[in-house]
Amino acid sequence: DGGITQSPKYLFRKEGQNVTLSCEQNLNHDAMYWYRQDPGQGLRLIYYSQIVNDFQKGDIAEGYSVSREKKESFPLTVTSAQKNPTAFYLCASTPPTSRYYNEQFFGPGTRLTVL
Amino acid sequence: AQSVAQPEDQVNVAEGNPLTVKCTYSVSGNPYLFWYVQYPNRGLQFLLKYITGDNLVKGSYGFEAEFNKSQTSFHLKKPSALVSDSALYFCAVRDKSGNTPLVFGKGTRLSVIA
Repeated sequence: DGGITQSPKYLFRKEGQNVTLSCEQNLNHDAMYWYRQDPGQGLRLIYYSQIVNDFQKGDIAEGYSVSREKKESFPLTVTSAQKNPTAFYLCASTPPTSRYYNEQFFGPGTRLTVL
Repeated sequence: AQSVAQPEDQVNVAEGNPLTVKCTYSVSGNPYLFWYVQYPNRGLQFLLKYITGDNLVKGSYGFEAEFNKSQTSFHLKKPSALVSDSALYFCAVRDKSGNTPLVFGKGTRLSVIA
């Protein structure tokens, strides 16, 4: 799982609550990403950030928000507007943006369950 | 738009037999191609990538993949499967023209039977 940490590993939320998933990397990577994984649907991109203080929506950004105040941190907030938030959430990062052939490094994931 | 297709949801193979996990891609230009493996409740682990040059790419744990530009394919292969290879495998693509996020296939579950 490289130098990317995600916490917590398991998270339980009541309906109507916002929750924030943590993602930290010590790899000095520029770009960071959030994916959602559901059975049979692969990985779907939520948000990504290529530099500090800048981020872009992915394919399924509705009901989610992010911030990128520091290079090493990219927290994801799952808001009450997200209709079906129960899923496995994966954070990833890549080295300097000039090297387009670089692979993404993934964290261990957070499993979110809405009760 | 970039896309990846993994046509098989599940692949079963006997231990010791060769395995192939299929992947086809679509990009507007030339691709960077990647394979990842995921074990239960874990993040994705990088296996190998194709950048340029030799069409046969060798990666971790004895896996290799063959880039075929005419068939727009990047199938993952291993000459002799192990039970421990049982996992979920993802193919991913990025267009060479920019540092966009990887686009992933839906994954193929490999089951190696002893």
